Amino acid sequence: GESVGLHLPTLSVQEGDNSIINCAYSNSASDYFIWYKQESGKGPQFIIDIRSNMDKRQGQRVTVLLNKTVKHLSLQIAATQPGDSAVYFCAEKRWYFGNEKLTFGTGTRLTIIP
Amino acid sequence: DTAVSQTPKYLVTQMGNDKSIKCEQNLGHDTMYWYKQDSKKFLKIMFSYNNKELIINETVPNRFSPKSPDKAHLNLHINSLELGDSAVYFCASSRVPGQSNSPLHFGNGTRLTVT
Repeated sequence: GESVGLHLPTLSVQEGDNSIINCAYSNSASDYFIWYKQESGKGPQFIIDIRSNMDKRQGQRVTVLLNKTVKHLSLQIAATQPGDSAVYFCAEKRWYFGNEKLTFGTGTRLTIIP
Repeated sequence: DTAVSQTPKYLVTQMGNDKSIKCEQNLGHDTMYWYKQDSKKFLKIMFSYNNKELIINETVPNRFSPKSPDKAHLNLHINSLELGDSAVYFCASSRVPGQSNSPLHFGNGTRLTVT
C-alpha cells in the first residue's frame, strides 16, 4: 500500500550545526512533497514544498531534496537554532478522486543541543 | 488574529458520552479538514470539506459526524465516545488548489481524553 515513512524517529544536533531529516515514500504518483514542523502543543506548520518534477528547492535556512529514482526526500536545516527543535513530518500530496489528499509520514523528532 | 482556531483545547470525558469540537478559519479558504493524531504522532486525515460539501471521508466510524454550516466553519461531533478515540484532533484549511501547491494551515489541536 502507499506509505510515507521516515528513516529515523529521533535526531539530536548541536546548535549551529546542519541537520538532515530523511523520508522515504512509495507512491510515485504524488504531485507535491511537503515538509511540516510541529512544535509542542501546536499544530503542524508548513515549512517548504517541492513539486514532483523538481529535485531541489531552497528556502530560508532550509533545503529540500527529492530523489525520485530511489523515492527519497530530505530536509536540510542549516545552522540549527534552539527554535528548530520540533517534530518534522514529510507529506505527499496527490489527486484522489478529483480532490487533493495529503498523506503524512510518521515524523522525526529533532532536538537541538545548546 | 488566529488563522485556524479550534475549541476546546482540552476535552476530558467518559466513555459513551457525546462531544463536539468546533473549528473556525478566517483565511477565506474554501477547503477544511479534520485530522487525527495518535499517541505516536501519526497524523491521519479523517474528513475534508470544500465549500460545505463533504469531499473525503477516510473510513471513519459513523460515530464521527462533521458539520459545516458555512465554509469558514467545520465542527466535529462524536457520539458514544470510546477509549480508542483518545487523540489530538486537528482542524486545518487550505485554498482551492490550482496549479500551485496550497499548504494546509492547522489549528493548535484539541486533546481528547476518554476515560
